[in-house]
Amino acid sequence: AQSVTQLGSHVSVSEGALVLLRCNYSSSVPPYLFWYVQYPNQGLQLLLKYTTGATLVKGINGFEAEFKKSETSFHLTKPSAHMSDAAEYFCAVSGNAGGTSYGKLTFGQGTILTVHP
Amino acid sequence: ETGVTQTPRHLVMGMTNKKSLKCEQHLGHNAMYWYKQSAKKPLELMFVYNFKEQTENNSVPSRFSPECPNSSHLFLHLHTLQPEDSALYLCASSQEAGGNSPLHFGNGTRLTVT
Repeated sequence: AQSVTQLGSHVSVSEGALVLLRCNYSSSVPPYLFWYVQYPNQGLQLLLKYTTGATLVKGINGFEAEFKKSETSFHLTKPSAHMSDAAEYFCAVSGNAGGTSYGKLTFGQGTILTVHP
Repeated sequence: ETGVTQTPRHLVMGMTNKKSLKCEQHLGHNAMYWYKQSAKKPLELMFVYNFKEQTENNSVPSRFSPECPNSSHLFLHLHTLQPEDSALYLCASSQEAGGNSPLHFGNGTRLTVT
């Protein structure tokens, strides 16, 4: 069984400020972790993913996330927000069970990021 | 064309109509998915196809009927829908139906049932 909790359905930052979007997960097997972004009237786009190896992963558009097993967290950060970062962000987890999870991604409820000038 | 293409982008249908959603992927992937995205709810996985074979039906009502004629095309046939079925329906594909293959999503079909 697996689940994802995104803390805060809405986050608002000023342009140039740090972006921090929180994600905690639970999984009965080692997890694969993902962050997706959804712009208005579009589908979801992969930002970054963690599978194995280095726990700090870098993605597109200057975002990065760190897998912390002890905290069961995978928070998304960006040092300096840009107006174009305004979107909805989804954290997702699937199970590392020898590739037999059949893409059963479990998504969080999403966090809407607003960037103020 | 590249990526995952969904048509139509918007669809309004009555409860007695029959319509179909179409999805096509140009990525050479072997797995395709239907997701439902409703307001204030997490994305709901509906169906998974791996090499044209259905491997997952997430307790979806029979008024939704998927079809996967080949690895590049996926359809969702709709009939006798209810107003609560109004949502954004997203198609996705991945290289394989495995846990670490990222999904590539289409832009979705916004369905309104009147």
